Amino acid sequence: DQQVKQNSPSLSVQEGRISILNCDYTNSMFDYFLWYKKYPAEGPTFLISISSIKDKNEDGRFTVFLNKSAKHLSLHIVPSQPGDSAVYFCAAHKGGSEKLVFGKGTKLTVNP
Amino acid sequence: NAGVTQTPKFRILKIGQSMTLQCAQDMNHNYMYWYRQDPGMGLKLIYYSVGAGITDKGEVPNGYNVSRSTTEDFPLRLELAAPSQTSVYFCASSNRGSNTIYFGEGSWLTVV
Repeated sequence: DQQVKQNSPSLSVQEGRISILNCDYTNSMFDYFLWYKKYPAEGPTFLISISSIKDKNEDGRFTVFLNKSAKHLSLHIVPSQPGDSAVYFCAAHKGGSEKLVFGKGTKLTVNP
Repeated sequence: NAGVTQTPKFRILKIGQSMTLQCAQDMNHNYMYWYRQDPGMGLKLIYYSVGAGITDKGEVPNGYNVSRSTTEDFPLRLELAAPSQTSVYFCASSNRGSNTIYFGEGSWLTVV
């Protein structure tokens, strides 16, 4: 049973446009959400996170939105750059748990 | 900036062979993790440790063993390699009270 779902395996956008990556979760006990970025042949690197007490967190070109009632979060990248081309993983965990649950990832391609 | 270091980077094993994936972190993190990533899938937790001498099973522990004799090291042991263990393995670490996990670069394992 997949608790964190990224239903789009891939996304292609033009440089300078907005990229929107989506993530849904089923476990209402999750209270912290993270996005990781992964380049080929490298480990995932932390990008941005959000606590369940917030509905938005912004860091430069990256913004994460959380809709708790819909159990949905999204990552917005504005403007998108070719260097953003990577696989993006959504992850979540419950307070008091050391374990992160990951989605399957979305491969973002930003075309020059 | 070493962070989380994994060795080896690549390994081919024959069915039934044993091996140990090494992992070391120099950030003095309490928590360490082993994840595996199969093609097109998210990361699945194999084992984790909240401190030296303490380990616990994750989502997919069968076929693996771990030990944590020091804060820095968290080796993953495959006793009887099977083709189903062909995967990319990521070691990670985090600090107690932090929601962010830091990953190593990965170890590519093929069992033939």
